[in-house]
This record gives sequence, structure tokens and C-alpha cells, in this order.
Amino acid sequence: AQTVTQSQPEMSVQEAETVTLSCTYDTSESDYYLFWYKQPPSRQMILVIRQEAYKQQNATENRFSVNFQKAAKSFSLKISDSQLGDAAMYFCAYRSAGTNSGYALNFGKGTSLLVTP
Amino acid sequence: NAGVTQTPKFRILKIGQSMTLQCTQDMNHNYMYWYRQDPGMGLKLIYYSVGAGITDKGEVPNGYNVSRSTTEDFPLRLELAAPSQTSVYFCASSYPGGAYGYTFGSGTRLTVV
Repeated sequence: AQTVTQSQPEMSVQEAETVTLSCTYDTSESDYYLFWYKQPPSRQMILVIRQEAYKQQNATENRFSVNFQKAAKSFSLKISDSQLGDAAMYFCAYRSAGTNSGYALNFGKGTSLLVTP
Repeated sequence: NAGVTQTPKFRILKIGQSMTLQCTQDMNHNYMYWYRQDPGMGLKLIYYSVGAGITDKGEVPNGYNVSRSTTEDFPLRLELAAPSQTSVYFCASSYPGGAYGYTFGSGTRLTVV
């Protein structure tokens, strides 16, 4: 199974500042999908952004953007103009393009983001 | 549109008891999944289903069973509960491929004492 590594258990950012969360993964596949999910204290899993490996252009969703480095197997999430509501656990996830495990997501251990006023 | 509904939201079990975690989706998704989330460990796949009547094991299936008699429902059965099964359980669903994301339920916090 592919391994997803989030090396930062906790991160802190001041309101209105920018923060980058790191994610690396191990795979021998050339086609796959990558996701960032946000989990606030409510426990709900919320999709933040997704990236298709065959697309070289980095995905962007409003204040959230990714830096996808396929050769380095790196998929970092940048949050600009951080807001108090961004405080949450963030999970990086990998999904194979093949049918292994029914397209199930493979998650990293998560990064807890604290946003200070 | 309700999405993915999980019941109960909280439950305390005694060691050796059994229970079923319910999961229902109303999006006509073929693919459904059960994950467990332990502190500091991310989410790990327990079982998955690619359609009614078809289920398969994930990474951590021991101590659990599933069934999929309809497209909508994917219950998770715990037999002989053990303290190691204390966790938060998530059900999720997707269209085939799931390239556009997955819909998650709100989770069940289970404590085995």
C-alpha cells in the first residue's frame, strides 16, 4: 500500500498570515489522485482540494493552493490569509488510479493547525 | 439531500458485547467504505464495498464484519468488542473511481470499557 507521510504533527499560524503543510507519499504508480481534507472539532471530514497527478498545473481553491512536485512525490498545502475558522486537523490522502481497495483513500496521520489572533 | 448518515453518534460498549454501526447514503453511490480513526494515526480502511453484494477487507478488518444488501446501506458489525476497538468510525461513499472526492458521515465515537 502507498505510504502517505505528514511530517508536521502540529503547526501554528497567525491570523492573516500564510502557512504551508507538508505531505510526501510513496508510490510506483504514474497516475493517481491526491487530496487534502480538513477535520474541524465537529469531526466532519471536509474536502479542501484535489490534484490529479497527470495535470502539471497546481490546484487552487480560493485561499488554498497546492505545490505538487510529482518527481519528488510531494504535495504541500498552502493556506493564505489564514482565518480562525481554518483551525483544524488536516489530512493528506492518496488514491490510486487503479482499482486497488475499491479506490479507497490512503491517509496520512494528519497535521493539527492552530490559528492565533 | 442527507448525504451519508451514521448512527449512533456515540456509544459505550462493555468488553464482549456486540453492536452494529449503521451507515446509509442517498446519493446512489456504488462505492462505500468504513474507516477507523485513532488519535495521531489518521484514518485506516476497515472494509469497503464496490456494490450491493460485494465487500472486501481493507487494512484493519480483524474483529469486524460487513454486509451490503442494498446500494444505500453498509452496516459495520463488531463482534465481541475489545478495548482496542475504541475509536472513531467513519463511513464514506463515492461514485466509481472517487476522483471527485468522497462524502463522509459525521462519525461514531465508540468506547469499549
